[in-house]
This record gives sequence, structure tokens and C-alpha cells, in this order.
Amino acid sequence: GAVVSQHPSRVICKSGTSVKIECRSLDFQATTMFWYRQFPKQSLMLMATSNEGSKATYEQGVEKDKFLINHASLTLSTLTVTSAHPEDSSFYICSTGEGETQYFGPGTRLLVL
Amino acid sequence: GDSVTQMEGPVTLSEEAFLTINCTYTATGYPSLFWYVQYPGEGLQLLLKATKADDKGSNKGFEATYRKETTSFHLEKGSVQVSDSAVYFCALTINTGGFKTIFGAGTRLFVKA
Repeated sequence: GAVVSQHPSRVICKSGTSVKIECRSLDFQATTMFWYRQFPKQSLMLMATSNEGSKATYEQGVEKDKFLINHASLTLSTLTVTSAHPEDSSFYICSTGEGETQYFGPGTRLLVL
Repeated sequence: GDSVTQMEGPVTLSEEAFLTINCTYTATGYPSLFWYVQYPGEGLQLLLKATKADDKGSNKGFEATYRKETTSFHLEKGSVQVSDSAVYFCALTINTGGFKTIFGAGTRLFVKA
């Protein structure tokens, strides 16, 4: 299956700053990538669908101006958490794949102080 | 709406014990069903899947059968190992003009030596 990497794996930032998370598909041309967040001991919640060369599609309740997504190439999608606050602390996971089979990145743990 | 419900954890077993993690779903269409595993500090990995009724997915000694009549996809393993300790997620994927994955809350499994 496809190999998906994320960078950074862990980040700590101050409240009010912005953080960029990268998701790379290493051996697969990803026209679509999905971004999830996972709170401690909870399931993954889909935040948005990232489409190469076009605007992302956000799930209900997710602020598109706060979680900026850019999918400029077939191998890279980025999620920027703008003006981060402590409640944004979470585990962010991306995935890509063909049809119903998804391959997940290892996740990025964000801690906002 | 579409949803996945799985048994709450944590589940604690001794090595070589029998494992069952229950999963039921609701879906308006005809979903594909998945079990994913998340080892500590890592992203999700596909464990097994089934795409139609009565299909049995299997991998690494784990099995699950797609039961349309009971809308269930219970995960079983005859003899667990310490290395099976992880969080297990049941999920369904539906095609709504694009594939969307919905996850259960996850069940944490601890296997004692």
C-alpha cells in the first residue's frame, strides 16, 4: 500500500501562533487527502477533504479560516492551524488512498500552551 | 445518519485468551467495513476489511464477518499475544460521490504475559 508521512511528528507552540503540518504521499499520486483529528481516547473525526489544485471541503463545524488546507501537488497537502489555542491541542492524522482503501500517516501531536 | 458503535474498553486479557470486540453499524447505503489497528505512538493501519454481506476479512489471526442481517462486524482472534496490545477501530466507508470513512470510538486492548 501507499506510504504516507507527516511532519512534524510532535509540536509544542504558544497560544496565538500558527502551526503547519505536512502530509506527504511517498509513492502514490494523491489527488485527494483527508485530514482527521483525534482527541485523547476518542475516535478520529474527519475535518476536511483536501483536493489537489482546488479548494478543500470542510466538514460541518470545522472553521475553514482556522484550519487552512493547501494541496498544491500530488504528493503534498498541508494543514495550518492558525492562531492556535489550547483547545486545538490534539492528534492530527492525514490519509490518502484509492477509493475505499485508505493509508494513514503516523500522525502529528500538537500541544498548544 | 451513518455511524459505528463498538464496545468500550479497555479490554484486558491474558496471553492466549480469546478476543472478541463487538462492532455494529448504521448506514443508509451499502458500506464496506474495516478494522484498523493503532499501536502506541503510531498512525492507523488497515487490519482487515469486508466489502459485501457474508464476506469474512482475515489477517494476522484476526477475523471479522460482514453480517448484514445484524449490521455487525465483530472482530475475533483465537489466541492473543502481548504484541496485539493496541487500539482497534471499527469503520465503515460509504460512497457519497466520493468515499467517506466513519470510525467507531476505538477499543483499547491490553494483553498481559
